[in-house]
Amino acid sequence: IAGITQAPTSQILAAGRRMTLRCTQDMRHNAMYWYRQDLGLGLRLIHYSNTAGTTGKGEVPDGYSVSRANTDDFPLTLASAVPSQTSVYFCASSERAGEDEKLFFGSGTQLSVL
Amino acid sequence: GQNIDQPTEMTATEGAIVQINCTYQTSGFNGLFWYQQHAGEAPTFLSYNVLDGLEEKGRFSSFLSRSKGYSYLLLKELQMKDSASYLCAVSDSNYQLIWGAGTKLIIKP
Repeated sequence: IAGITQAPTSQILAAGRRMTLRCTQDMRHNAMYWYRQDLGLGLRLIHYSNTAGTTGKGEVPDGYSVSRANTDDFPLTLASAVPSQTSVYFCASSERAGEDEKLFFGSGTQLSVL
Repeated sequence: GQNIDQPTEMTATEGAIVQINCTYQTSGFNGLFWYQQHAGEAPTFLSYNVLDGLEEKGRFSSFLSRSKGYSYLLLKELQMKDSASYLCAVSDSNYQLIWGAGTKLIIKP
């Protein structure tokens, strides 16, 4: 089934550890995004990539990094996790970056930093 | 600053009609989206409005007034499976989505 796959589904992490959340899509979409979702807040954009080889910072990029070596993969790395990074992380993609492009979301990663 | 406001929670009865409102203040406007998110799942696209007026898609309709910074999502003939959170998002002048916190809709039999 075509779509976006995220891994792991959930993770408990000790503060200070490094962690990479994986995201792969098979729809050949050009644009990909990482969001975090916290209770009582809207989805917040961490980083995005409009096309393979390019990335950009979103609303809350500090403490996170991304890479986009190819069209399909868009991993998110927490270099040194802190408790405030406890959240649900969603990867998303769209056919291209633009005003009318709907997003397709992965199933999310529940991350707890202790 | 940029702001999207939606009610936190609403309750409705199976078979009835419910309207979920969304007001926004953003730097620029390039369209408004509604997404549905069931508990523990990913958001899924429902509708997109960029021009004023009503867009109807089956039991769901979405309305936009750009001059008032206002949209609503109308759900008719409510079913238990419509119990979910409904997220309003606005594409700003940079085509980045600004998201509301979502409205949790509870359907009672």
